[in-house]
Amino acid sequence: AQSVTQLDSHVSVSEGTPVLLRCNYSSSYSPSLFWYVQHPNKGLQLLLKYTSAATLVKGINGFEAEFKKSETSFHLTKPSAHMSDAAEYFCVVSNFGNEKLTFGTGTRLTIIP
Amino acid sequence: EPEVTQTPSHQVTQMGQEVILRCVPISNHLYFYWYRQILGQKVEFLVSFYNNEISEKSEIFDDQFSVERPDGSNFTLKIRSTKLEDSAMYFCASSEVSDTIYFGEGSWLTVV
Repeated sequence: AQSVTQLDSHVSVSEGTPVLLRCNYSSSYSPSLFWYVQHPNKGLQLLLKYTSAATLVKGINGFEAEFKKSETSFHLTKPSAHMSDAAEYFCVVSNFGNEKLTFGTGTRLTIIP
Repeated sequence: EPEVTQTPSHQVTQMGQEVILRCVPISNHLYFYWYRQILGQKVEFLVSFYNNEISEKSEIFDDQFSVERPDGSNFTLKIRSTKLEDSAMYFCASSEVSDTIYFGEGSWLTVV
């Protein structure tokens, strides 16, 4: 069984300050982990993925995430928030080689001008 | 950049009616999926499809649901007799191998 817990349903940061979106996972096997972003009235866009290679993963738009097996975490970070980052962010897990994705409940990121 | 396209973007239907949601996956992809997101809830897996057959389905995907790849490019989700609780955003997705899945923009279904 696999599951994901996103620890914050809503995060607000000021433009230009760091972003931290927290995610913990549970998986019986070697997990693949993903962050997807959903802008208002848009589909799900892949930000980045971890699939048992480097533990620090760089994604699009300056986002990165670090896989920490000892903490079962995969937190998403960005050094400096931009207004265009305002969206819903989903942490997602799958068992490596398994087609089924399990989504977290999402974190809504608000950027304060 | 190649993308998954879905039609319609929004459909309103009466309870009990049949609905077909259409998707064109990325052309060289071999795995196809449907997910749904009821308003305010998690994105949920419905079904995966590979080599012209269902490879996995969730408990949500009951006999009212079916999928088909009718012509080698389209991938459809049919709901035979819609219920109010079928109102949701339905996402089609595809992948070349089974680890990186690309989603379409979704079809918003409203059952009245």
